[in-house]
Amino acid sequence: EDKVVQSPLSLVVHEGDTVTLNCSYEVTNFRSLLWYKQEKKAPTFLFMLTSSGIEKKSGRLSSILDKKELFSILNITATQTGDSAIYLCAVSRLSDKLVFGAGTILRVKS
Amino acid sequence: DGGITQSPKYLFRKEGQNVTLSCEQNLNHDAMYWYRQDPGQGLRLIYYSQIVNDFQKGDIAEGYSVSREKKESFPLTVTSAQKNPTAFYLCASSVAPNYGYTFGSGTRLTVV
Repeated sequence: EDKVVQSPLSLVVHEGDTVTLNCSYEVTNFRSLLWYKQEKKAPTFLFMLTSSGIEKKSGRLSSILDKKELFSILNITATQTGDSAIYLCAVSRLSDKLVFGAGTILRVKS
Repeated sequence: DGGITQSPKYLFRKEGQNVTLSCEQNLNHDAMYWYRQDPGQGLRLIYYSQIVNDFQKGDIAEGYSVSREKKESFPLTVTSAQKNPTAFYLCASSVAPNYGYTFGSGTRLTVV
């Protein structure tokens, strides 16, 4: 059975800390891995990763994929209270719907 | 602007009543999805549709029904058979099933 496992399930840090969120997967016919940020309502797209070892960056956020070890990490440096959200990892398979992990709840305290 | 619109944002229902959640998109996407999200949990797939007049059950379809009569619309009915309907419901669409999704803003359903 295909599955996506995120860790930790929740995390509390102070502003300025660096955090690393993990996502491991076991899926057939892997195509890409996606990260979403969900603050109050609609998840918003962060990254799509298809190739191993190529880091994607957007401001203080970065992510990388390891297709050999079947995992991805999402790094957030110099965290701010606005980073508080649920971070969702999802894997897309060839010609099929996304499989989502349970999410990591991040809370950044000021 | 293109996007997905879910309505209503908040919905209260009495036990034993059916209720329909609306999802409309103007992105010209073929695929549409309904997810349920419970507090502290990820997204669980209820139903999805890859093309008009066709849809498939997801992981937790019991107690729900859908229709896809138009490309733009994918309404979800929560029936009285759904034992724990209180949740946050998200609709999404994508160009194709294996592409990234665009999400609506969700409907929070509370059964009273």
